[in-house]
Amino acid sequence: EPEVTQTPSHQVTQMGQEVILRCVPISNHLYFYWYRQILGQKVEFLVSFYNNEISEKSEIFDDQFSVERPDGSNFTLKIRSTKLEDSAMYFCARQGDEQFFGPGTRLTVL
Amino acid sequence: AQSVTQLDSQVPVFEEAPVELRCNYSSSVSVYLFWYVQYPNQGLQLLLKYLSGSTLVKGINGFEAEFNKSQTSFHLRKPSVHISDTAEYFCAVSASSSNTGKLIFGQGTTLQVKP
Repeated sequence: EPEVTQTPSHQVTQMGQEVILRCVPISNHLYFYWYRQILGQKVEFLVSFYNNEISEKSEIFDDQFSVERPDGSNFTLKIRSTKLEDSAMYFCARQGDEQFFGPGTRLTVL
Repeated sequence: AQSVTQLDSQVPVFEEAPVELRCNYSSSVSVYLFWYVQYPNQGLQLLLKYLSGSTLVKGINGFEAEFNKSQTSFHLRKPSVHISDTAEYFCAVSASSSNTGKLIFGQGTTLQVKP
């Protein structure tokens, strides 16, 4: 059983549309993260979320991004108005003895 | 702030040969160090980590890495690679004093194992 699951595996959207990426950490941990990986580039930290609040965010995580844990199990990343440069792989991770990463959601903005 | 440099973008090697993937980091504070592997179209899987103690760390799949504080390096090694080791390898750091544990990744090294 995977430690972290993410849905959808692939999301295609039009520029300017809102997208919500979902992550289910499964076990009860308090620290969660979103990272992104633009094709061919390194993995970049976006935001960390602790005890239902943002604890740290990068300069990439601007007002277009938001995170929530709406029901105590799902952990979501919302992009309000997508841009072409938001096309990337988005990884959710949870902190245990180490950071466990989900399989990722590939976001394609057309 | 921390940064990570992976000196080789691609490393081609023949099956059963040894391999070393290089990683250097920069930090003004003490750090934890990690190596992750990413197989095609998959997420990141932890290979090994250095938190404290012995500077030689052994991980999964026969990989090991050595922390060298004076050279600020954490090179990954395997004495004999297999075709199945073909993947992208990422070195990462986090500040040991960090409240959040965020990871800072290097650019990645593509290991290509040839038959």
